Amino acid sequence: KAGVTQTPRYLIKTRGQQVTLSCSPISGHRSVSWYQQTPGQGLQFLFEYFSETQRNKGNFPGRFSGRQFSNSRSEMNVSTLELGDSALYLCASSLEALGSGANVLTFGAGSRLTVL
Amino acid sequence: GQNIDQPTEMTATEGAIVQINCTYQTSGFNGLFWYQQHAGEAPTFLSYNVLDGLEEKGRFSSFLSRSKGYSYLLLKELQMKDSASYLCAPLNYGGSQGNLIFGKGTKLSVKP
Repeated sequence: KAGVTQTPRYLIKTRGQQVTLSCSPISGHRSVSWYQQTPGQGLQFLFEYFSETQRNKGNFPGRFSGRQFSNSRSEMNVSTLELGDSALYLCASSLEALGSGANVLTFGAGSRLTVL
Repeated sequence: GQNIDQPTEMTATEGAIVQINCTYQTSGFNGLFWYQQHAGEAPTFLSYNVLDGLEEKGRFSSFLSRSKGYSYLLLKELQMKDSASYLCAPLNYGGSQGNLIFGKGTKLSVKP
């Protein structure tokens, strides 16, 4: 079966712009969570969506937002981009919501954002 | 607070055994995951421990001590393809919400 698909894979933006990233989960998976990965901070949790509802949110400013559609596909948006937003953004899907024990996350290949 | 500590880098020789340690402090602990991430690729699932003890899966084993906030990943018969980053991720769960807190990862280099 198809894995987790993220688009676009690479993008370059300038400060002040906004960006929308897309994530298509594995068929049947209802949870999509987003992570920011940088060399200095590692993988940091952004938020989780389950059944079109945001269940949990990490410690990121309000410029970071997301949503989930009825087919479980998810998008995240970053407005007013800053240089420090340059990172690899990973999404992961799972059958159940985070916290449900041995609920394995399957990650997409990521979207690498460069802010100039 | 939430804190995860694992070594930044390790080097080992092909065919050897290496142990990657992870200590953590989280609230609402509900198990611990280990993920492997090759450079430029997505993390992939290795193991999940929720009870104390050792879980063996082929060349890889993972150990958990909940009372000590400690886990390790043991890799046997190292191969060159095991060169990757290994991420320790305790599962934090409370108030019907959960999230995985990832450590910064241990970059393992396997030398011939």
